[in-house]
Amino acid sequence: SQTIHQWPATLVQPVGSPLSLECTVEGTSNPNLYWYRQAAGRGLQLLFYSVGIGQISSEVPQNLSASRPQDRQFILSSKKLLLSDSGFYLCAWRTGRETQYFGPGTRLLVL
Amino acid sequence: AQSVTQPDIHITVSEGASLELRCNYSYGATPYLFWYVQSPGQGLQLLLKYFSGDTLVQGIKGFEAEFKRSQSSFNLRKPSVHWSDAAEYFCAVGEDNYGQNFVFGPGTRLSVLP
Repeated sequence: SQTIHQWPATLVQPVGSPLSLECTVEGTSNPNLYWYRQAAGRGLQLLFYSVGIGQISSEVPQNLSASRPQDRQFILSSKKLLLSDSGFYLCAWRTGRETQYFGPGTRLLVL
Repeated sequence: AQSVTQPDIHITVSEGASLELRCNYSYGATPYLFWYVQSPGQGLQLLLKYFSGDTLVQGIKGFEAEFKRSQSSFNLRKPSVHWSDAAEYFCAVGEDNYGQNFVFGPGTRLSVLP
């Protein structure tokens, strides 16, 4: 069966520090991968999606970036975190006509 | 562009009572509609989805939702709430099941009283 992993589960970082969140998928090939952010009191916002290795589409301009170095690996990064980057980050995947399935999420607090 | 509203930010019900969470969407064509649940500290779990056909869809954990085109609504219901249903619920709309334009509502937090 397919599973999706995210780490770390929780992260506390100072303003201006770099960020790297990782998402990996098991049990499937060539998935579409997504990064979402849920800010406190707000709904989910699509940040990036990828249809293949090295292919990244950005939905919202900001100081975050994404990369897909391998078929089942999706990384969310920042060179310098802002206070407004605090939130709950969710990775999701789908293949073909399947519905999106979500990982457990990473809770990020920027101080 | 599509949009989703969930008018209720926070709902409190007693255990065993019935539940209805409201969801309204704005979209020009027939939407793909979803309800997700997020328990505290966890990721999202799909409860149910509507693509076409019968407008009353059944999901997991005893939930159901009804698509009403005339009202642009997709309300989630459960006849008898359990304490474990306390969570945040998100309605979402997409152009199709595999398109990139997937929009979530702001969420409704459900509290359950013993």
